[in-house]
Amino acid sequence: DIQLTQSPSFLSASVGDRVTITCRASQGISSYLAWYQQEPGKAPTLLISAASTLQSGVPSRFSGSRSGTEFTLTISSLQPEDFATYYCQQLNDYPLTFGGGTKVEI
Amino acid sequence: QVQLQESGPGLVKPSETLSLTCTVSGGSIISYHWSWIRQPPGKGLEWIGYIYYDGSTIYNPSLKSRVSFSVDTSKNQFSLKLTSVTAADTAVYYCARSRLELPTPRFDYWGQGTLVTVSS
Repeated sequence: DIQLTQSPSFLSASVGDRVTITCRASQGISSYLAWYQQEPGKAPTLLISAASTLQSGVPSRFSGSRSGTEFTLTISSLQPEDFATYYCQQLNDYPLTFGGGTKVEI
Repeated sequence: QVQLQESGPGLVKPSETLSLTCTVSGGSIISYHWSWIRQPPGKGLEWIGYIYYDGSTIYNPSLKSRVSFSVDTSKNQFSLKLTSVTAADTAVYYCARSRLELPTPRFDYWGQGTLVTVSS
């Protein structure tokens, strides 16, 4: 199975901060990586697909990038509604797998 | 707007079979892949597998011996069965539409999730 290692697991930040979350794949997955946001008690929602394609309706403060097997989710200016847990997911090979999550809290 | 809704018992006894159904509204089940994902309380996401509208499936090997999916296109529904459950199967179960076409594979619509507790 392809392992996705997210770092950090927890991130303490303030409104207005620039936040970066990393997801490292255990092997090459091309750009077949998606990012999801999960608010407490809710289902995940899609933010980014193909490493850097912003889903329609997602604020432009979210962006994604890839360098080899390392993927990054950046929030340029953290807003109150962004405090949540973020997951990466690889869709290159079966079984599809998720990273362990990064909780962004105040 | 596509919506997904999970339904089924919230409590299942150990060694019994967990059965859930996902009803799709606002769009057709035809021509898409449909996944089940679960999340134990306080933990991360685990993909269980997917079913295509034609009934073809791919399961996560970690659960393959105990899981089966089915689809009913006439009702716009698909279902999950997980046999011989234990406490380790206690989780929120989600269904999701899985867009697997390249170059932008993704899970674009999710159900709200349903908590299934395995306990006697």
